[in-house]
Amino acid sequence: KNEVEQSPQNLTAQEGEFITINCSYSVGISALHWLQQHPGGGIVSLFMLSSGKKKHGRLIATINIQEKHSSLHITASHPRDSAVYICAVSWNYGQNFVFGPGTRLSVLP
Amino acid sequence: DAGITQSPRHKVTETGTPVTLRCHQTENHRYMYWYRQDPGHGLRLIHYSYGVKDTDKGEVSDGYSVSRSKTEDFLLTLESATSSQTSVYFCATALLNTEAFFGQGTRLTVV
Repeated sequence: KNEVEQSPQNLTAQEGEFITINCSYSVGISALHWLQQHPGGGIVSLFMLSSGKKKHGRLIATINIQEKHSSLHITASHPRDSAVYICAVSWNYGQNFVFGPGTRLSVLP
Repeated sequence: DAGITQSPRHKVTETGTPVTLRCHQTENHRYMYWYRQDPGHGLRLIHYSYGVKDTDKGEVSDGYSVSRSKTEDFLLTLESATSSQTSVYFCATALLNTEAFFGQGTRLTVV
C-alpha cells in the first residue's frame, strides 16, 4: 500500500517569505500531483509531475523519483496563497489517486 | 475546472433517508471518482468509474452505491443516510495518467 506523507502539517509565514512543502511516498508511481484547496473551497490542480521540475508563476514543483520525494516551493508568498496544499500520487493504470494529509499554509500580511 | 458540476452543493437530510449526489462533466473524461473529505482523514475514495457502466469500490464504499449510465454523469447514492456519512463529497475526473479535475464539493449533513 502506498503511503503519502507531507511535511510540515501546518506552516505560518510572513508575506514575502520563500515556502517549501515536502511530500514523500513509499511505492513507485507514474505521476505526482500538487493540489490547492482554499478554506471552504474546491480543489484545484496545480501541477502534475512525472520527473524533473515545473514552474507556474511563483510556484515551483520538483520531484526526485529515485528518492520518492517531491517539493512544492512558493516564492514571494502572499496572503492569497493561504490554503491547504495536498500531494497525491497516481499510477499508469489510472484507477485512483492516493492523497497525503495536506499542509495548511497561512501567510500573514 | 474542466466543466465539472456537482449538485446539490449543500444538503441536510435525516437519518435513514436515501440521498443522491450528482457529478456532471463536459470533458468526456473516462475516469470519474467520488471522494469524501473528513478532518483528520484527508480525501478517501468511495467509488470510481472507468467507463460507462464500469465501476468499482474504493476504500470507504460501505453504505454507498454508484451508477454511470452516461459518460458525463456519475451518481453517488446513500441508500439510507447515517450520521457517519456527514462529510464533504468531491467528484473528480481524469484521463489516464493526467491531472485530475475536481468539482466544488457537496457539503452533506445527516441529522
